Amino acid sequence: DVKVTQSSRYLVKRTGEKVFLECVQDMDHENMFWYRQDPGLGLRLIYFSYDVKMKEKGDIPEGYSVSREKKERFSLILESASTNQTSMYLCASRPGSSYNSPLHFGNGTRLTVT
Amino acid sequence: KNQVEQSPQSLIILEGKNCTLQCNYTVSPFSNLRWYKQDTGRGPVSLTIMTFSENTKSNGRYTATLDADTKQSSLHITASQLSDSASYICVVSADAAGNKLTFGGGTRVLVKP
Repeated sequence: DVKVTQSSRYLVKRTGEKVFLECVQDMDHENMFWYRQDPGLGLRLIYFSYDVKMKEKGDIPEGYSVSREKKERFSLILESASTNQTSMYLCASRPGSSYNSPLHFGNGTRLTVT
Repeated sequence: KNQVEQSPQSLIILEGKNCTLQCNYTVSPFSNLRWYKQDTGRGPVSLTIMTFSENTKSNGRYTATLDADTKQSSLHITASQLSDSASYICVVSADAAGNKLTFGGGTRVLVKP
């Protein structure tokens, strides 16, 4: 079974802090994704990466950056946290070469910015 | 703009009863539609995928349907169990690679004994 592990389940940070969310997958997947999930809005794509050191902006990249130095690890960075970034953050991965394969999600990090 | 609308937003059913969740989409082009189940405090897990040529697909007590003409899908849960309490998310893909996804807001199902 694919395992996607997010390093923190809950985080509380102050406005203006730099925040790192870490995600590791163990199935050698090429593609990795960061989403945020807010009630009633569905999941929204922040960034995705299809290879080491490669990244592409999703629908809501403002205020975020990402890093993928190793294939198994994809980090989401909030350069200066703001209260409107309080949300559930979900990391996902999938193989790059397989049509119609599902996303495999981590269990999420609930971030509160005060 | 691509959109996926799910209804109802939430529902409560008694254990053992059936229920049907709806998903309407305006995604173009259309590649496939997938239903995910998200338990509280967990990430979504894929239940089933529907491609353009498929009308019905079952996964245990879950049965998904797709009408590509009307751009509607449904997820039917038969003989509900307490473990079916979760959010169900409809996701439509505009490409086979799966990198152009539009997510619905989900339907929260609560099964009561």
